Amino acid sequence: AQSVTQLDSHVSVSEGTPVLLRCNYSSSYSPSLFWYVQHPNKGLQLLLKYTSAATLVKGINGFEAEFKKSETSFHLTKPSAHMSDAAEYFCVVSTIQGAQKLVFGQGTRLTINP
Amino acid sequence: EPEVTQTPSHQVTQMGQEVILRCVPISNHLYFYWYRQILGQKVEFLVSFYNNEISEKSEIFDDQFSVERPDGSNFTLKIRSTKLEDSAMYFCASSELDVAGEQFFGPGTRLTVL
Repeated sequence: AQSVTQLDSHVSVSEGTPVLLRCNYSSSYSPSLFWYVQHPNKGLQLLLKYTSAATLVKGINGFEAEFKKSETSFHLTKPSAHMSDAAEYFCVVSTIQGAQKLVFGQGTRLTINP
Repeated sequence: EPEVTQTPSHQVTQMGQEVILRCVPISNHLYFYWYRQILGQKVEFLVSFYNNEISEKSEIFDDQFSVERPDGSNFTLKIRSTKLEDSAMYFCASSELDVAGEQFFGPGTRLTVL
């Protein structure tokens, strides 16, 4: 069965500094992995996805993530944080057989300090 | 840009009452999903729906729950007799593809059972 562990429930960085949100996954199959972001009172928005193509995936708003099979990790990074990046971030793995069911991590709240 | 919409944004009900949560998926999407997030917990998969039938459901999705696509645009989740523990944020999602397809999420309906 698939599962996801987000290693930090809360990350706080200063504006202009790098962001690292950590995610480890467990999957019986070659996984599809996603990062979603949720701003207050908004729906979940897809940041980026990995589906067995390039291991370094670029997403929206300057975010990227690297799939590392040997480490079963899919960490999310951004070189320079912006105040608008403050939100809840979810690492997600999907089943690839039959109907797609997303399995969510517990989320990481990102706070940006001025 | 097309988006998934959900109504109402907030629903308050008495325990034992029936509630219907409504969703309008993106018009050309074929796969539909419900997820829920109890406060402080992970987002959990409830059910997926394709071609007018349930594709997959979780253990949470018991006989108290049902889904329906009553017309060409709406997708509903009904809870027949609400319990206190049904209080949660309920997210609807839709996708064009199943395997590794991006799921587009609505803003959610916050259900409060008193």
